[in-house]
Amino acid sequence: ILNVEQSPQSLHVQEGDSTNFTCSFPSSNFYALHWYRWETAKSPEALFVMTLNGDEKKKGRISATLNTKEGYSYLYIKGSQPEDSATYLCASYSGSARQLTFGSGTQLTVLP
Amino acid sequence: GAVVSQHPSRVICKSGTSVKIECRSLDFQATTMFWYRQFPKQSLMLMATSNEGSKATYEQGVEKDKFLINHASLTLSTLTVTSAHPEDSSFYICSARRKNSNQPQHFGDGTRLSIL
Repeated sequence: ILNVEQSPQSLHVQEGDSTNFTCSFPSSNFYALHWYRWETAKSPEALFVMTLNGDEKKKGRISATLNTKEGYSYLYIKGSQPEDSATYLCASYSGSARQLTFGSGTQLTVLP
Repeated sequence: GAVVSQHPSRVICKSGTSVKIECRSLDFQATTMFWYRQFPKQSLMLMATSNEGSKATYEQGVEKDKFLINHASLTLSTLTVTSAHPEDSSFYICSARRKNSNQPQHFGDGTRLSIL
């Protein structure tokens, strides 16, 4: 992996469903992995900054895991609500990049 | 509340105009600020890192004479798009970081620039 990649690009879920999406990043020279939530007409809001392999962080119904050896992170949302609708961005400090490198985001729509 | 303020939020102007965008950290001193650009359906692309009191560090392919960055104080960085042309139309967003790279970045609301 040379760049930060996120999948899926977009998804629609029903209210109450749990969902997850993936962020892949260069595993070499890993330093930190960030997750942000970006709601329409607002600025991106930091969710998590993760640095340790195997780390799991939780904020309410949202949690994230990190595997630095294989270069991926999962973001989980339990019991999705319409207010969770947003674009979720991940970004890594790793590989050859000197600064934070962003993925294209996963656009989540939670249908009531 | 917001910790980084960016304005203007939207600019529409004629080709050849220079446009200045401001990014302010409201409740902390930011020795480093970042300027990103985003094209539709693409990721945030780092343009340059703005360092207080010194020259900005530009990413490969970003013209420093086209995108002038000034970080004159610990709370303000400005990006000036000089002699803007339609191809400069994009979404520009700044962020500031409190200390080191383990800290999250705080983003402004972004500026939608449209050059006619």
